[in-house]
Amino acid sequence: DVKVTQSSRYLVKRTGEKVFLECVQDMDHENMFWYRQDPGLGLRLIYFSYDVKMKEKGDIPEGYSVSREKKERFSLILESASTNQTSMYLCASSLPLMNTEAFFGQGTRLTVV
Amino acid sequence: AQSVTQPDIHITVSEGASLELRCNYSYGATPYLFWYVQSPGQGLQLLLKYFSGDTLVQGIKGFEAEFKRSQSSFNLRKPSVHWSDAAEYFCAVGARGGGADGLTFGKGTHLIIQP
Repeated sequence: DVKVTQSSRYLVKRTGEKVFLECVQDMDHENMFWYRQDPGLGLRLIYFSYDVKMKEKGDIPEGYSVSREKKERFSLILESASTNQTSMYLCASSLPLMNTEAFFGQGTRLTVV
Repeated sequence: AQSVTQPDIHITVSEGASLELRCNYSYGATPYLFWYVQSPGQGLQLLLKYFSGDTLVQGIKGFEAEFKRSQSSFNLRKPSVHWSDAAEYFCAVGARGGGADGLTFGKGTHLIIQP
């Protein structure tokens, strides 16, 4: 089975801190994604990567950056956390095909105080 | 740009009753359509997907969905719900641009099961 693992289920950080959310997948998928989930807004794409060291902005990249140094790992970085970044963050991976589903991690619930 | 609309934010169904969750999409070409389920505090699990062929697709947990091109719809159905079906359900359309650069999700439908 495909496994996408997010390093933390819950995080509490202070405003202004630099925050790293880590995601690892074990199925050799080329594509990896970071989504943000908020009540009433569904899932919104922050960034995605289709290869090592490659990244593309999604719909809401402001305030975030990403890093993909190895194929299996995709990190989301909040350079200076703010309270409006309190949310559920979901990582996903997929093959580089149009007719394929994405596989999701369990999510990280981040609270910025 | 592609988009997905789930008109119902909340739906309440009695246990044992039938269920239909609505999904409408906007997409310029043949869509790739998905239904995911999210149990409380969990990630998303794929229920079923439609790429081509038979417009009625079967998924896990007894769910099915029907693709209707004329109505731009991909509604999810289950003949008899169980209390464990209480969850958030997301419809999604795949592939913007020339590659698998992410799914576009609807805002979700929260399913409540009454005993």
